[in-house]
Amino acid sequence: AQSVTQLDSHVSVSEGTPVLLRCNYSSSYSPSLFWYVQHPNKGLQLLLKYTSAATLVKGINGFEAEFKKSETSFHLTKPSAHMSDAAEYFCVVSDPNTDKLIFGTGTRLQVFP
Amino acid sequence: KAGVTQTPRYLIKTRGQQVTLSCSPISGHRSVSWYQQTPGQGLQFLFEYFSETQRNKGNFPGRFSGRQFSNSRSEMNVSTLELGDSALYLCASSSSGDTQYFGPGTRLTVL
Repeated sequence: AQSVTQLDSHVSVSEGTPVLLRCNYSSSYSPSLFWYVQHPNKGLQLLLKYTSAATLVKGINGFEAEFKKSETSFHLTKPSAHMSDAAEYFCVVSDPNTDKLIFGTGTRLQVFP
Repeated sequence: KAGVTQTPRYLIKTRGQQVTLSCSPISGHRSVSWYQQTPGQGLQFLFEYFSETQRNKGNFPGRFSGRQFSNSRSEMNVSTLELGDSALYLCASSSSGDTQYFGPGTRLTVL
């Protein structure tokens, strides 16, 4: 069975400092992994997607994630946080048999000035 | 291309009533999936439609149903509403593979 675990429910950073949002996955197959972001009262926006073409995936708004099979991790990073990055971030794995998305519990990112 | 649209954006209903939510996918996308988001349960998969057929179903009671039309637009219906059905209902569309693009959601409040 596929699953993802987001290791932090809340992360707080100062504007201009690096962001690290942690995600571990469990999958019997070579997984398709995603990061989505949800701003308050909004839908989900795709940040980036991993599908085995490259282990370092670059996304929108300066975010990137690295797939590490040995650690079963897919952590999201950004070198310098911006106030507009404050939102909820979801790590997601896709069930290869059904394409159903399985969501982590989310990490709320706060950015302080 | 226009994104996924959902109507209405907000709904208030009372217990026992029924409700229908609508989703228009991105043009050319044939798959539409529905998700429920609540503070307690997080994001949970409801069902997926492809070419007017329900292809996958999550673990929700039969009060939750859906359909898809020939133009790929989808509706979901919840009958006999309960307080616990209050949630943000998200629709996502995809063309092929597994990248899903989400709409803004419909926030349903059951009183």
